Formats: sequence, structure tokens, C-alpha cells
Amino acid sequence: DGGITQSPKYLFRKEGQNVTLSCEQNLNHDAMYWYRQDPGQGLRLIYYSQIVNDFQKGDIAEGYSVSREKKESFPLTVTSAQKNPTAFYLCASSEERGFYGYTFGSGTRLTVV
Amino acid sequence: KQEVTQIPAALSVPEGENLVLNCSFTDSAIYNLQWFRQDPGKGLTSLLLIQSSQREQTSGRLNASLDKSSGRSTLYIAASQPGDSATYLCAVRDFGNEKLTFGTGTRLTIIP
Repeated sequence: DGGITQSPKYLFRKEGQNVTLSCEQNLNHDAMYWYRQDPGQGLRLIYYSQIVNDFQKGDIAEGYSVSREKKESFPLTVTSAQKNPTAFYLCASSEERGFYGYTFGSGTRLTVV
Repeated sequence: KQEVTQIPAALSVPEGENLVLNCSFTDSAIYNLQWFRQDPGKGLTSLLLIQSSQREQTSGRLNASLDKSSGRSTLYIAASQPGDSATYLCAVRDFGNEKLTFGTGTRLTIIP
């Protein structure tokens, strides 16, 4: 079945550490996105990529970095510069223009310990 | 800047009732609107997608409508079941904008 796989499901980060969240899709979608979800707030866009080797900042990119070396993969690194990283992170993908809507993964819950 | 609002934030109804969830948006120049369901601790499941040229979409017991002129969409759930309990999110994609703008959701509880 086609879909988006996010791993790990739960992740714990110590102060000062960088951690990387994995997102893989087998939908042959061109565009991929990272969203952050906090209680009581709508989803907020961190980064997005419409094509391999290109990506753009979203609304809350500070403290995060991404890469898009393969069409299928869009990993997100939460750096030590992100002061409040505890949140639920969701990866999504769509065909180029989003005409058929977005497909989301099952999410990664990141907790700072 | 597009803003999406969902009211109420929470709703409880007895099993078997029909119900309507509301979504309003401030900029009517939308590309499409998508309704999602989210169970606790889980990702988003797409329910219905309405293109800007469409007025409604149906899937099983679900019907979503779109009125761009008034900046509103509704999600109608017929004959509600306890398994419908979840948070329902609407999201809007604007023309010329690659991102979705989300509402904060309505947490629905169906009482057996």
C-alpha cells in the first residue's frame, strides 16, 4: 500500500542534542512538508520541498533543518537552537500542485528530557 | 493572510444523531479545502477534499459543502457512531500558496 512512513513514533532528546526525524513516501509525490502540532494550536508549517534538492522555509523554520536528496525522503533535523522542541511532528506529501490533496504520516512525538 | 476558524472547539452528541461541524476562512480565493480526522496521538486521515469549483463532496455518511462567497465549509455526519469520536480539522490551500492553513479543530465525542 502506498503511504507515508514516519519514524520513530516516539523520540526523546536531551538538552543540546540534535535529533533527526525520518519521513519516507512511496506515493511518487513531488512535494513534501513538515508540520508541527502543539496542543490548542493549529498545525504550523516548518519546511516544505517541491522538488529534489530544493526546499523552502515555512512559518516556523528557526531551529530546524531539512534535506531532500531523494524524491521519497524528507528528513527533519531538530537542532539545539530550537528552544521548545517538545511537540508532535507530522510529515505530509502531495502531487505537485496539491490538486488531489495532502496525505499525512502517523507522526513523531518528540519530548525533551 | 488566510485564517481558518472552527467553532465549537468541542462537541458532544448522543449516538445516532446527525451533526454538522463548521469551518470558516477569511480569504475566499482558495484552491481547495480538505477535511481531516485525527485520533488521539495519531496522524491525520483525509476524509473529503473539495475543489474551489465544487459545492459539495460525499463519502458514505459524510458530506462536506463549500460556500466560497461566505467563506464557509460544513462537514455533515449522518447517524453518528461512537467510532466517529475524534478531532476533525479543516485545512485550506490558497491559490499560489503551497501550504495548507489549518483550523484548530473540533473535538467530537459521540455518547453511546
